[in-house]
Amino acid sequence: DADVTQTPRNRITKTGKRIMLECSQTKGHDRMYWYRQDPGLGLRLIYYSFDVKDINKGEISDGYSVSRQAQAKFSLSLESAIPNQTALYFCATRQGANYGYTFGSGTRLTVV
Amino acid sequence: QKEVEQDPGPLSVPEGAIVSLNCTYSNSAFQYFMWYRQYSRKGPELLMYTYSSGNKEDGRFTAQVDKSSKYISLFIRDSQPSDSATYLCAMSSTGGGNKLTFGTGTQLKVEL
Repeated sequence: DADVTQTPRNRITKTGKRIMLECSQTKGHDRMYWYRQDPGLGLRLIYYSFDVKDINKGEISDGYSVSRQAQAKFSLSLESAIPNQTALYFCATRQGANYGYTFGSGTRLTVV
Repeated sequence: QKEVEQDPGPLSVPEGAIVSLNCTYSNSAFQYFMWYRQYSRKGPELLMYTYSSGNKEDGRFTAQVDKSSKYISLFIRDSQPSDSATYLCAMSSTGGGNKLTFGTGTQLKVEL
């Protein structure tokens, strides 16, 4: 099994729908992150969490919310999806402040 | 101006060539520098990690950091078709939650 698992892998949804992307990890890391990746814009941070009770906004949090259900689970919700939220979404974990990230395989989300 | 600039490519080289990938940055507080490799439809994977200035070598890969010029490089020796991927640079400071700032990635194709 992968260290960081994201579900679903692909999703097409309609404008205005609520959608949840899920992430679970077996690394035992406290730090978890949600990024979106767009061509020409690279990876941009949406939300991050240093533990279950610590949630922080990233640079592009508007239109998104998160829930850290457990140390190993961090979900991202789009409350009312819009077409410009079409992107590749990645969850990542990190052992500590000065370590690299371990990324999941991503969720390709299309909002029509 | 973006904090981290990276030429998107694509860069096409013959098998066996030495590849040089580069990023420039503007934030002098960056202390930790990383290179990630991302294959198509996969999440980024950590390739190299360096702290402050200097060189680090791992097999066919060498990472260089020149903080005085705000310039980092990744060299790939004896490039192989399996090196064909997008390479992302990333960096962080010691403060601000140590969030990583990513370049947009350089697409590399190694031709037979």
